[in-house]
Amino acid sequence: SYELTQPPSVSVSPGQTARISCSADALPKQYAYWYQQKPGQAPVLVIYKDGGRPSGIPERFSGSSSGTTVTLTISGVQAEDEADYYCQSADSSGTYVFGTGTKVTVL
Amino acid sequence: QVTLRESGPALVKPTQTLTLTCTFSGFSLSTSGMCVSWIRQPPGKALEWLARIDWDDDKYYSTSLKTRLTISKDTSKNQVVLTMTNMDPVDTATYYCARMGYSGYDDFDYWGQGTLVTVSS
Repeated sequence: SYELTQPPSVSVSPGQTARISCSADALPKQYAYWYQQKPGQAPVLVIYKDGGRPSGIPERFSGSSSGTTVTLTISGVQAEDEADYYCQSADSSGTYVFGTGTKVTVL
Repeated sequence: QVTLRESGPALVKPTQTLTLTCTFSGFSLSTSGMCVSWIRQPPGKALEWLARIDWDDDKYYSTSLKTRLTISKDTSKNQVVLTMTNMDPVDTATYYCARMGYSGYDDFDYWGQGTLVTVSS
């Protein structure tokens, strides 16, 4: 399997835009998914298939892909968006990998 | 309404075998395409995928842990069971089960609340 690398932390002021990258160290690239995890809680899916947004997820969450890097963008960050974020993908053998995780701090 | 709930021992001793049960509702593992996975998270660390079982009983395991893991299902009880042998303190983690397959893609769309397992003598 391969690794997904994320920046350990991202800090952003309320109302600004946070961008979290997730880079794969090898091909093939599959679709990427993003999860938000608040302290003491289970992860919540916020982006599927690189850029899809599940029902109930605010429009300020969006995802994009370029080459072997995917990016989660949170536009107009709110205090409630402070959390850990994980990317996730699959490899061709039916196994899955999570990214190293990014802590988003709202200043 | 889809729910999943993990259950099992909170404390196991080194070398023992861990058995965890995921009891779910709101979907059926006999439905084509449905899957359930187990994922764990050591305190303060990242998520790690462990195993997956499909509606047709296909099974997939983490490459690094496959010799220690067994996943099974009881469709009539809406349960998925994970066993992990030869437990070590580094296996201390919160263990989650999660549903997959509803979207047709590789996302985990519903998660249980997790159960913390501590490995200590």
